[in-house]
Amino acid sequence: GAVVSQHPSRVICKSGTSVKIECRSLDFQATTMFWYRQFPKQSLMLMATSNEGSKATYEQGVEKDKFLINHASLTLSTLTVTSAHPEDSSFYICSARDGAGANTEAFFGQGTRLTVV
Amino acid sequence: AQSVTQLGSHVSVSEGALVLLRCNYSSSVPPYLFWYVQYPNQGLQLLLKYTTGATLVKGINGFEAEFKKSETSFHLTKPSAHMSDAAEYFCAVTKSGGSYIPTFGRGTSLIVHP
Repeated sequence: GAVVSQHPSRVICKSGTSVKIECRSLDFQATTMFWYRQFPKQSLMLMATSNEGSKATYEQGVEKDKFLINHASLTLSTLTVTSAHPEDSSFYICSARDGAGANTEAFFGQGTRLTVV
Repeated sequence: AQSVTQLGSHVSVSEGALVLLRCNYSSSVPPYLFWYVQYPNQGLQLLLKYTTGATLVKGINGFEAEFKKSETSFHLTKPSAHMSDAAEYFCAVTKSGGSYIPTFGRGTSLIVHP
Protein backbone atom coordinates (compact mmCIF):
# COMPACT_ATOMS: atom_id res chain seq x y z
CA GLY A 1 0.00 0.00 0.00
CA ALA A 2 0.87 3.63 -0.19
CA VAL A 3 3.17 5.11 2.42
CA VAL A 4 2.71 8.29 4.39
CA SER A 5 5.67 9.43 6.44
CA GLN A 6 5.30 11.81 9.35
CA HIS A 7 8.15 13.54 11.13
CA PRO A 8 9.09 13.91 13.92
CA SER A 9 7.57 11.01 15.82
CA ARG A 10 8.13 12.75 19.13
CA VAL A 11 8.85 16.32 20.07
CA ILE A 12 9.13 18.16 23.34
CA CYS A 13 9.06 21.92 23.27
CA LYS A 14 8.88 24.80 25.67
CA SER A 15 5.70 26.73 26.17
CA GLY A 16 5.51 29.69 23.80
CA THR A 17 7.60 28.17 21.04
CA SER A 18 6.41 26.85 17.69
CA VAL A 19 6.67 23.31 16.38
CA LYS A 20 6.45 22.11 12.79
CA ILE A 21 5.26 18.64 11.86
CA GLU A 22 5.80 17.28 8.36
CA CYS A 23 3.65 14.81 6.48
CA ARG A 24 4.89 13.30 3.23
CA SER A 25 3.30 10.91 0.78
CA LEU A 26 6.24 8.83 -0.36
CA ASP A 27 4.98 6.96 -3.38
CA PHE A 28 1.92 8.83 -4.52
CA GLN A 29 0.69 12.35 -5.01
CA ALA A 30 -1.87 13.63 -2.56
CA THR A 31 -3.81 16.71 -3.52
CA THR A 32 -5.54 16.48 -0.19
CA MET A 33 -4.17 15.55 3.20
CA PHE A 34 -5.90 15.49 6.55
CA TRP A 35 -4.69 16.44 10.00
CA TYR A 36 -6.10 14.77 13.08
CA ARG A 37 -5.62 15.19 16.77
CA GLN A 38 -6.04 12.29 19.13
CA PHE A 39 -6.44 12.55 22.87
CA PRO A 40 -5.55 9.58 25.08
CA LYS A 41 -7.94 6.68 24.70
CA GLN A 42 -10.10 8.65 22.29
CA SER A 43 -10.89 8.67 18.62
CA LEU A 44 -9.36 10.85 15.95
CA MET A 45 -10.63 14.39 15.76
CA LEU A 46 -10.35 15.94 12.32
CA MET A 47 -8.65 19.31 12.61
CA ALA A 48 -8.36 20.40 9.01
CA THR A 49 -8.21 19.36 5.41
CA SER A 50 -5.05 20.44 3.67
CA ASN A 51 -5.36 21.27 -0.02
CA GLU A 52 -2.34 21.55 -2.30
CA GLY A 53 -1.92 25.07 -3.54
CA SER A 54 -4.76 26.57 -1.58
CA LYS A 55 -5.85 27.37 1.95
CA ALA A 56 -6.66 24.62 4.36
CA THR A 57 -10.21 23.98 5.45
CA TYR A 58 -10.48 23.97 9.22
CA GLU A 59 -13.09 22.18 11.28
CA GLN A 60 -15.28 24.16 13.60
CA GLY A 61 -13.53 25.06 16.81
CA VAL A 62 -9.99 24.68 15.46
CA GLU A 63 -7.97 27.87 15.60
CA LYS A 64 -6.46 28.45 12.18
CA ASP A 65 -3.98 31.00 13.50
CA LYS A 66 -2.74 28.53 16.05
CA PHE A 67 -2.51 25.52 13.80
CA LEU A 68 -0.95 26.69 10.56
CA ILE A 69 -1.19 24.31 7.66
CA ASN A 70 0.81 24.56 4.47
CA HIS A 71 0.47 22.17 1.55
CA ALA A 72 3.22 23.40 -0.71
CA SER A 73 3.50 20.39 -2.99
CA LEU A 74 1.62 17.25 -3.93
CA THR A 75 3.70 15.21 -1.53
CA LEU A 76 4.17 17.48 1.49
CA SER A 77 1.89 19.09 4.03
CA THR A 78 3.08 20.73 7.23
CA LEU A 79 1.29 21.55 10.46
CA THR A 80 2.84 24.24 12.63
CA VAL A 81 1.63 24.60 16.18
CA THR A 82 2.34 28.24 17.02
CA SER A 83 2.95 29.58 20.50
CA ALA A 84 2.44 26.14 21.93
CA HIS A 85 0.94 25.67 25.37
CA PRO A 86 0.68 22.58 27.56
CA GLU A 87 -2.94 22.06 26.49
CA ASP A 88 -1.68 21.58 22.93
CA SER A 89 0.11 18.43 24.06
CA SER A 90 -1.42 15.61 22.10
CA PHE A 91 -0.90 12.99 19.42
CA TYR A 92 -1.17 14.48 15.93
CA ILE A 93 -1.73 12.25 12.91
CA CYS A 94 -1.79 13.08 9.21
CA SER A 95 -3.55 11.12 6.52
CA ALA A 96 -3.77 11.06 2.76
CA ARG A 97 -5.63 9.16 0.07
CA ASP A 98 -4.15 8.04 -3.19
CA GLY A 99 -7.47 8.35 -4.96
CA ALA A 100 -10.42 10.69 -5.03
CA GLY A 101 -13.27 8.30 -4.41
CA ALA A 102 -14.97 7.79 -1.08
CA ASN A 103 -14.23 4.08 -1.38
CA THR A 104 -10.47 4.58 -1.30
CA GLU A 105 -8.69 3.92 1.93
CA ALA A 106 -6.83 6.53 3.89
CA PHE A 107 -3.16 6.04 4.62
CA PHE A 108 -1.87 7.38 7.88
CA GLY A 109 1.43 8.70 9.08
CA GLN A 110 2.88 7.18 12.22
CA GLY A 111 1.84 10.16 14.28
CA THR A 112 3.67 12.81 16.28
CA ARG A 113 3.58 12.90 20.05
CA LEU A 114 3.84 16.57 21.05
CA THR A 115 4.62 17.44 24.63
CA VAL A 116 4.67 21.09 25.62
CA VAL A 117 6.43 21.81 28.91
CA ALA B 1 -24.99 12.89 8.21
CA GLN B 2 -23.07 9.71 8.84
CA SER B 3 -21.98 8.33 12.17
CA VAL B 4 -20.33 5.30 13.67
CA THR B 5 -20.96 3.65 17.01
CA GLN B 6 -18.52 1.18 18.49
CA LEU B 7 -20.03 -0.68 21.39
CA GLY B 8 -17.61 -1.23 24.22
CA SER B 9 -14.53 0.88 24.73
CA HIS B 10 -12.67 -2.23 25.91
CA VAL B 11 -12.94 -5.87 24.91
CA SER B 12 -10.97 -8.48 26.79
CA VAL B 13 -10.38 -12.01 25.48
CA SER B 14 -8.09 -14.91 26.20
CA GLU B 15 -5.46 -15.91 23.69
CA GLY B 16 -7.04 -18.35 21.25
CA ALA B 17 -10.57 -17.13 21.89
CA LEU B 18 -12.93 -15.54 19.40
CA VAL B 19 -12.59 -11.80 18.89
CA LEU B 20 -15.75 -9.78 18.22
CA LEU B 21 -15.62 -6.00 17.93
CA ARG B 22 -18.91 -4.31 17.22
CA CYS B 23 -19.58 -1.45 14.85
CA ASN B 24 -22.90 0.06 13.86
CA TYR B 25 -23.22 2.87 11.39
CA SER B 26 -25.73 5.44 10.35
CA SER B 27 -25.80 6.66 6.78
CA SER B 28 -28.49 7.98 4.50
CA VAL B 29 -26.85 6.44 1.45
CA PRO B 30 -24.94 3.20 0.87
CA PRO B 31 -21.85 3.40 3.01
CA TYR B 32 -18.28 2.44 2.55
CA LEU B 33 -16.98 0.87 5.73
CA PHE B 34 -13.47 0.43 7.07
CA TRP B 35 -11.71 -1.11 10.02
CA TYR B 36 -8.36 0.30 11.10
CA VAL B 37 -5.94 -0.88 13.78
CA GLN B 38 -3.68 1.38 15.82
CA TYR B 39 -0.73 0.14 17.84
CA PRO B 40 0.62 2.34 20.65
CA ASN B 41 2.15 5.59 19.47
CA GLN B 42 1.59 4.75 15.84
CA GLY B 43 -0.73 5.80 13.06
CA LEU B 44 -3.63 3.75 11.78
CA GLN B 45 -3.35 0.77 9.47
CA LEU B 46 -6.17 -0.55 7.32
CA LEU B 47 -7.40 -4.01 8.28
CA LEU B 48 -10.18 -4.33 5.72
CA LYS B 49 -12.87 -2.43 3.91
CA TYR B 50 -16.28 -2.95 2.39
CA THR B 51 -17.28 -0.99 -0.68
CA THR B 52 -19.52 -3.13 -2.87
CA GLY B 53 -19.99 -6.79 -3.71
CA ALA B 54 -19.49 -9.61 -1.25
CA THR B 55 -20.69 -8.64 2.19
CA LEU B 56 -18.15 -10.83 3.99
CA VAL B 57 -14.80 -9.12 3.74
CA LYS B 58 -11.50 -10.70 4.67
CA GLY B 59 -8.61 -8.59 5.80
CA ILE B 60 -5.09 -8.87 7.08
CA ASN B 61 -3.97 -10.79 10.15
CA GLY B 62 -6.92 -13.20 9.96
CA PHE B 63 -9.60 -10.59 10.57
CA GLU B 64 -12.87 -10.44 8.71
CA ALA B 65 -16.04 -8.40 8.87
CA GLU B 66 -19.54 -8.78 7.54
CA PHE B 67 -21.65 -5.94 6.22
CA LYS B 68 -25.26 -6.41 7.31
CA LYS B 69 -27.45 -3.75 5.83
CA SER B 70 -30.56 -4.83 7.72
CA GLU B 71 -28.71 -4.43 11.00
CA THR B 72 -26.60 -1.44 9.89
CA SER B 73 -23.62 -3.30 11.27
CA PHE B 74 -20.06 -4.10 10.27
CA HIS B 75 -18.69 -6.18 13.13
CA LEU B 76 -15.06 -7.28 13.11
CA THR B 77 -14.19 -10.86 14.01
CA LYS B 78 -11.20 -13.15 14.29
CA PRO B 79 -11.58 -16.84 15.16
CA SER B 80 -8.55 -17.06 17.42
CA ALA B 81 -6.96 -14.12 19.21
CA HIS B 82 -3.21 -13.72 19.37
CA MET B 83 -1.26 -11.65 21.85
CA SER B 84 -0.08 -9.44 19.00
CA ASP B 85 -3.69 -8.46 18.26
CA ALA B 86 -3.78 -6.27 21.35
CA ALA B 87 -4.33 -2.76 19.98
CA GLU B 88 -6.93 -0.06 19.41
CA TYR B 89 -9.44 -0.72 16.65
CA PHE B 90 -11.41 1.94 14.81
CA CYS B 91 -14.42 1.54 12.59
CA ALA B 92 -14.93 4.25 9.99
CA VAL B 93 -17.51 5.15 7.36
CA THR B 94 -17.57 7.24 4.24
CA LYS B 95 -20.42 7.35 1.81
CA SER B 96 -20.77 6.93 -1.89
CA GLY B 97 -21.28 10.16 -3.72
CA GLY B 98 -20.52 12.15 -0.63
CA SER B 99 -17.72 13.29 1.56
CA TYR B 100 -14.61 11.22 1.30
CA ILE B 101 -13.54 12.24 4.76
CA PRO B 102 -14.06 9.23 7.00
CA THR B 103 -16.06 9.45 10.18
CA PHE B 104 -14.42 7.37 12.90
CA GLY B 105 -15.93 5.55 15.80
CA ARG B 106 -14.48 6.22 19.23
CA GLY B 107 -12.39 3.06 19.10
CA THR B 108 -12.29 -0.23 20.95
CA SER B 109 -9.28 -1.35 22.89
CA LEU B 110 -8.67 -5.08 22.48
CA ILE B 111 -6.95 -6.72 25.44
CA VAL B 112 -5.62 -10.25 25.00
CA HIS B 113 -4.84 -12.33 28.08
CA PRO B 114 -2.39 -15.22 27.96
